[in-house]
Amino acid sequence: RKEVEQDPGPFNVPEGATVAFNCTYSNSASQSFFWYRQDCRKEPKLLMSVYSSGNEDGRFTAQLNRASQYISLLIRDSKLSDSATYLCVVTRGRGGSYIPTFGRGTSLIVHP
Amino acid sequence: GAGVSQSPSNKVTEKGKDVELRCDPISGHTALYWYRQSLGQGLEFLIYFQGNSAPDKSGLPSDRFSAERTGGSVSTLTIQRTQQEDSAVYLCASSSQGYEQFFGPGTRLTVL
Repeated sequence: RKEVEQDPGPFNVPEGATVAFNCTYSNSASQSFFWYRQDCRKEPKLLMSVYSSGNEDGRFTAQLNRASQYISLLIRDSKLSDSATYLCVVTRGRGGSYIPTFGRGTSLIVHP
Repeated sequence: GAGVSQSPSNKVTEKGKDVELRCDPISGHTALYWYRQSLGQGLEFLIYFQGNSAPDKSGLPSDRFSAERTGGSVSTLTIQRTQQEDSAVYLCASSSQGYEQFFGPGTRLTVL
C-alpha cells in the first residue's frame, strides 16, 4: 500500500458545483497534513493546512479523520480558476526530521 | 530573498554529461528538500537537509545523484553521467521545521 493515496481523477465539474477529494495515508504516526495546489507546469503551492478539528478558508474546507487515516478537501461553488491538481501531503517526524510525503494528486477540471 | 530560487530554469544536456542544479532557500529556513517530477507524474522525494546534514537520502535513485548544502543555505544537486530517464523537473523546497514547504520554480532538465 502506498504511503499516501489519492484518486487521480480527473474530476470534471461545472462551475458552481461542490466537489470533494479524499486522501488516505498508511502511517498512523503522521503528524502534519496539508493540501497543496499545483497548476500546470508550475510549482506546488500551499492551499491549506489540515487540523484535527477541521478548518475552513472561504470556499475550501479541510478535514482530518485520524481514526480512519484520511483527510478530505471540499470545494464549494467551484470557479474556473480552481482547475488544477490538488496534492495531499502527510508529514511524519523521525529522529528530529520532518519528512513530507506527497500524494500523486487529484486533477480537477471546472468547465463553464 | 523573497522566495526559493533555483537555477538554471532550463538545462539541456547530452547523455553522459554531468549537471549541477542550484537551490537558494528562503533565508532562515533550516529544512531543504529536493524532489523531481516527470511529466504528468507526482513528486518523487530525493533528499532532505536539516541544516547542512542530510538525514534522509533514501530517495536518491542511484549513486550518480548527490547533493550538498553549505552554510545552512544554498544547496546543489549534482547528477553525473546523465541518462535520458533523468529528464524531469527538479524542484527544491524549504521550510521551517515541520511546517509548510515553499517551492522554487524548478529546473527543467532535458537529457538528449
